[in-house]
Amino acid sequence: DAGVTQSPTHLIKTRGQHVTLRCSPISGHKSVSWYQQVLGQGPQFIFQYYEKEERGRGNFPDRFSARQFPNYSSELNVNALLLGDSALYLCASSPEAKPNYGYTFGSGTRLTVV
Amino acid sequence: TQLLEQSPQFLSIQEGENLTVYCNSSSVFSSLQWYRQEPGEGPVLLVTVVTGGEVKKLKRLTFQFGDARKDSSLHITAAQTGDTGLYLCAGAPQMAGSYQLTFGKGTKLSVIP
Repeated sequence: DAGVTQSPTHLIKTRGQHVTLRCSPISGHKSVSWYQQVLGQGPQFIFQYYEKEERGRGNFPDRFSARQFPNYSSELNVNALLLGDSALYLCASSPEAKPNYGYTFGSGTRLTVV
Repeated sequence: TQLLEQSPQFLSIQEGENLTVYCNSSSVFSSLQWYRQEPGEGPVLLVTVVTGGEVKKLKRLTFQFGDARKDSSLHITAAQTGDTGLYLCAGAPQMAGSYQLTFGKGTKLSVIP
């Protein structure tokens, strides 16, 4: 079975630009969560979607938005990029909304803002 | 805000040595998860502990959840070079309607041959 797939794997953008990151969860998983991991830190929660509805939002500005599609894949959008948005963006998939039993993470998208 | 503190932040040991990594919080979690992350990759789930006082073993790795469900430890026996990586603990919230995992900053382990 395919794991969680994220695209692109690497991306370089200029300050002020917009970026869209994509994630396909494990087949049968209805929950997708997005995390941001800055170098030297643990992942920080951005969003969770379950059955196409937003179930949680972390402490990130409105420049960050996301959505989940009928096939449970998801997009994370970031507008007006700042240098501080440079990070590894991780997508996590699980069968249920509550994360009690752990996530399967993708390999991430490495975003560099210059 | 729920916080998880991991210690030590960095650990460098010789192959064959034992080590323990700690994960502490003042908050109660419904479960505690441990992940290992390689450079440039996403975290990989090692174990989930759910019951206070629970001990789980995964080959040479032993995980324990504190009685009060606020802390956890990971013990590695006879470390191997393949154990090198970033070890992250993550807590699942106890409160209803909250779905985010809270991660610690991680312990970076280097096992030297």
